[in-house]
Amino acid sequence: ILLTQSPGTLSLSPGERATLSCRASQSISSTHLGWYQQKPGQAPRLLIFAASTRAAGIPDRFSGSGSGTVFTLTIDTLEPEDFAVYYCQQYGSSPLTFGGGTKVEI
Amino acid sequence: QLLESGGGLIQPGESLTLSCRVSGFDFHTFAMAWVRQAPGKGLEWVSGITSGSRSNTDSEESVRGRFTVTRDISRNLLSLHLNALTEEDTALYYCARTSRKWLDRDVFDLWGRGTLVVVS
Repeated sequence: ILLTQSPGTLSLSPGERATLSCRASQSISSTHLGWYQQKPGQAPRLLIFAASTRAAGIPDRFSGSGSGTVFTLTIDTLEPEDFAVYYCQQYGSSPLTFGGGTKVEI
Repeated sequence: QLLESGGGLIQPGESLTLSCRVSGFDFHTFAMAWVRQAPGKGLEWVSGITSGSRSNTDSEESVRGRFTVTRDISRNLLSLHLNALTEEDTALYYCARTSRKWLDRDVFDLWGRGTLVVVS
């Protein structure tokens, strides 16, 4: 399953809302989609699984939605530490695949 | 905790084994995977192994037949054996754990820091 993330880069200011899109080439079973945040020099950090469930310790300004082939990650009120690259990943079928990423920059 | 090792500079066509030492959880109850990231690029799932005694494996098409993932439960060690390496295999290789026990496919909630493989 090919995952296409858009936009490639999102230029925003702290306090604004970020809306990131992830589109799948075919329907993802049982909303088996996750989102990760990655900062330079760090491993990815799990944010969301099952399309909309926040992982442990993730602030509630992060929310996920969607089903089928269209999924969205929303970050309400961007904090300075939220500027990073975000990836979606599907785990509904093998091989597992990641999207190409969206960079959220100041 | 996941701690990778074994990366380095290697010539095209040669072989390498990466290791991931696991600690702090029941290794055999979680599916594990290797995910790589080429310099300046995105994440790519490479190979995975299921939990328990089955230890079924699967790999991404471009590495199938060249890369093999294995698990040694007694030593808490996950390994990735890389053969016939090409420059396209240059990447930071992460070891990652699925977030829930006994699921073959899942998101990854625990990652190592990665080990860098440079094929040149």
